[in-house]
Amino acid sequence: QSVLTQPPSVSAAPGQKVTISCSGSNSNIGNNYVSWYQHLPGTAPKLLIYENSKRPSGIPDRFSGSKSGTSATLGIIGLQTGDEADYYCGTWDDSLSGYVFGTGTKVTVL
Amino acid sequence: QVQLQESGPGLVKPSETLSLTCSVSGYSISSGYQWGWIRQPPGKGPQWIGNIHHSGSTYYNPSLKSRVTILVDMSKNQFSLKVTSVTAADTAVYYCARYGHWFDPWGQGTLVTVSS
Repeated sequence: QSVLTQPPSVSAAPGQKVTISCSGSNSNIGNNYVSWYQHLPGTAPKLLIYENSKRPSGIPDRFSGSKSGTSATLGIIGLQTGDEADYYCGTWDDSLSGYVFGTGTKVTVL
Repeated sequence: QVQLQESGPGLVKPSETLSLTCSVSGYSISSGYQWGWIRQPPGKGPQWIGNIHHSGSTYYNPSLKSRVTILVDMSKNQFSLKVTSVTAADTAVYYCARYGHWFDPWGQGTLVTVSS
């Protein structure tokens, strides 16, 4: 049972925008940086966002991240068919003394 | 470019020990960072197993700590995972990754099935 809650799925047409929420608590999101990962089946998960809103080299600016209090949000604009994947948030949890991942959100491009 | 590759048996019998190795290329483990293991059971989200610092310090998921050991072999630029007394609940794709307050990059993952 994950301590970070995400919606199971979101969908939108190509070119549109989706947002994915990640809800936690003071012991995790509220006190630590949040990262976001993209996972296409059969491939290695890829880091999309680190330190709440920073993008690694090579990640397009269509992907953005933000954090407010005990929640974080991943935004994807200009949705493409290649964006169909599972997305997970992650952060350190001070109470659990460990890294925790969100429940995961499947993005579908209609 | 840093690359990680998991290796080990794909089938382990119940009650036995799961052993995996992660080979790192493009970066020397001794230079820094923590190095971690994550697993993803079929149909579920990722679960952090534990990390090892280049100094040898280890950090384990409390729910798995009693059964998990992570070691580092600087001479081979590898780190390893052992999980004892496995059950069907340990069936998962196991990933290794570099950790610097986030996991990046990740290996391709290796499926380990626990079955007799």
